[in-house]
Amino acid sequence: QKEVEQDPGPLSVPEGAIVSLNCTYSNSAFQYFMWYRQYSRKGPELLMYTYSSGNKEDGRFTAQVDKSSKYISLFIRDSQPSDSATYLCAFAGYSTLTFGKGTMLLVSP
Amino acid sequence: EAQVTQNPRYLITVTGKKLTVTCSQNMNHEYMSWYRQDPGLGLRQIYYSMNVEVTDKGDVPEGYKVSRKEKRNFPLILESPSPNQTSLYFCASSLGSSVTDTQYFGPGTRLTVL
Repeated sequence: QKEVEQDPGPLSVPEGAIVSLNCTYSNSAFQYFMWYRQYSRKGPELLMYTYSSGNKEDGRFTAQVDKSSKYISLFIRDSQPSDSATYLCAFAGYSTLTFGKGTMLLVSP
Repeated sequence: EAQVTQNPRYLITVTGKKLTVTCSQNMNHEYMSWYRQDPGLGLRQIYYSMNVEVTDKGDVPEGYKVSRKEKRNFPLILESPSPNQTSLYFCASSLGSSVTDTQYFGPGTRLTVL
C-alpha cells in the first residue's frame, strides 16, 4: 500500500461548484496535515494546515481530517477560475514530510 | 519582498556536463531543501540543510551534491548529469527545521539533460 494516495485528476468543474479534493494515507506517524496549492509554472504554496481530526475553515476553504480512517479532504466552496491549480496534500511525521502527487483542478467560467 | 529565488529557471544540457542550480532566500531561514517533481511521482526531497554546514540526504540524493556555506544560499550541484535527472526542481526554505514549519518554495528550475 502506498504511503499517500491522491487522485491526479484532472477534476473539471464549473464556476461556483463545491470542490472536494481527497487524500488517503497509511502512516500512523503522520500527525500534521497540510494542503499546498501549485499554480502552473510556480512553486507550491501552503494553503492550509491542521493537527487534529475535524474541520478547519479559512474563507472558502475547509480542511477536514479523519485520523481514524486516515483520510483528509479539502473543500472549496463557490469555486472560481482563479482556483484552477494543482493541489497537493502533505503529511508530516516526526521527521519526515511526504507529499501526495497532486490533483489538478480546472474551474471553468 | 520575502522570497526564494532560483537560477536558472530553464536549462538544457548534455549528459556529463557539470552544472549548478543556485538557490537563495532573503528570509533568514534556517532550513533549506531541494525537491524534484516528476509526473506520476510527485515531489521528492533530494537534500536538506538544517543550518550552515549541516546537510543531509533526502529520499532521492543519488547523483546530486549540495553545500551550505552561507545561510541564504543552498546550491544544487549535478557533477555528471544523466537523462534520468531531467525534471522540475524546487528549492524551499523554512524558518525552523521542524517538518511542521511552513516551507516557502522557489519558482522552479526546469532541467533537461540530453
